[in-house]
Amino acid sequence: QLVLTQSPSASASLGASVKLTCTLSTGHSSYAIAWHQQQPERGPRYLMQLNSDGSHTKGNGIPDRFSGSSSGAERYLTISSLQSEDEADYYCQTWGTGIVVFGGGTKLTVL
Amino acid sequence: DVQLVESGGGLVQPGGSLRLSCAASGFTFNNYAMSWVRQAPGKGLEWVSAISGSGGSTNYADSVKGRFSISRDNSKNTLYLQMNILRAEDTAVYYCAKVLHPGYSYADPSDSWGQGTLVTVSS
Repeated sequence: QLVLTQSPSASASLGASVKLTCTLSTGHSSYAIAWHQQQPERGPRYLMQLNSDGSHTKGNGIPDRFSGSSSGAERYLTISSLQSEDEADYYCQTWGTGIVVFGGGTKLTVL
Repeated sequence: DVQLVESGGGLVQPGGSLRLSCAASGFTFNNYAMSWVRQAPGKGLEWVSAISGSGGSTNYADSVKGRFSISRDNSKNTLYLQMNILRAEDTAVYYCAKVLHPGYSYADPSDSWGQGTLVTVSS
């Protein structure tokens, strides 16, 4: 069964870096994912597509502070030079035969 | 710029029906598969359904299969979600989203999202 697992919460200080993790279920380690950001009271915003080899394609206007990487079944979103507006929920997304799956989301708090 | 504007949400009683619409602009609508994704109050994103650019292929989450129907009118650049036999657990903000690559199926990132429309199922 295709499942994405995310930690419910993360925190980091203003100006620091944070690395969020999305883990693919067993047998799905080659899957690409997408990262989305959802700021409070807003719709989701596409950040990037992230492939199993770590290559990634960012959406229009996404700052260089956002980057992606991969290792095995894990997909990472790194945000550097954290700003207050980065405080948001972050979701990963993938797709399989006949289905699309979202992770449970990580709530990022900027201290 | 891509714009997706959902409408049609509201309050409906359990067992009732509702049809959502998503008006699209800023891209060649019939070239892109589209999806509906929902978010229950205080919860995460849940994929609901997807449809190919031509409308000839559709997919549904198990939670809505047999009750919801996705369709599109490419002449009107509009996506629809017909929701029947609504349950309290269908209460959510419903978003429409387009895929990233033209000609791809649902199996592609959602790269543009609408602002959502709230559906409340309650007596």
